[in-house]
Amino acid sequence: LAKTTQPISMDSYEGQEVNITCSHNNIATNDYITWYQQFPSQGPRFIIQGYKTKVTNEVASLFIPADRKSSTLSLPRVSLSDTAVYYCLVGDGEISNDYKLSFGAGTTVTVRA
Amino acid sequence: EAQVTQNPRYLITVTGKKLTVTCSQNMNHEYMSWYRQDPGLGLRQIYYSMNVEVTDKGDVPEGYKVSRKEKRNFPLILESPSPNQTSLYFCASSPLAGGFANTGELFFGEGSRLTVL
Repeated sequence: LAKTTQPISMDSYEGQEVNITCSHNNIATNDYITWYQQFPSQGPRFIIQGYKTKVTNEVASLFIPADRKSSTLSLPRVSLSDTAVYYCLVGDGEISNDYKLSFGAGTTVTVRA
Repeated sequence: EAQVTQNPRYLITVTGKKLTVTCSQNMNHEYMSWYRQDPGLGLRQIYYSMNVEVTDKGDVPEGYKVSRKEKRNFPLILESPSPNQTSLYFCASSPLAGGFANTGELFFGEGSRLTVL
């Protein structure tokens, strides 16, 4: 499983765009990139997943450059309710024997009024 | 409603007293996993299971056991709990069909907060 590195914390204000970059220098050819969001005392929930270029859904956008050694989660016009921990996860896109999935410490995003 | 259910949600116990945290999912998922979450360390995987009778160690399996006798259930067993197992525990499940990461989504339970005195 590719190791990921994210900033520990980020602060923002309501209405701003928040961009969180995750580094995964040893990402494998078959690896997808997935982001999760976790509120206090709740389990993480899936936000978005991508393999290359750009993916957008109703919650966020995911930008992946051509070399795929990093990815950026973009949260448009954040609100107070977007205050949470965000995790970047890189894992195999094919069935393999290794399904170990550790999320790391994640990025704590704090949105202020 | 599709969900992952953990019990108990809160538990205070004493060192050495065996306990089991149950996990059940109603989505017919092949993959199930246990995590513990500690301040500053994020989520660390304890054990996972790819199907009935198939389990494997995650990153922090010491002091824990699991079993997968039925597809929907994946209990976490602490045979002799110690204070360093005080933590917030999450169970998760995911479908495997089509390739694991292609499914994109782990479904998590609400968590079980365990305190070992």
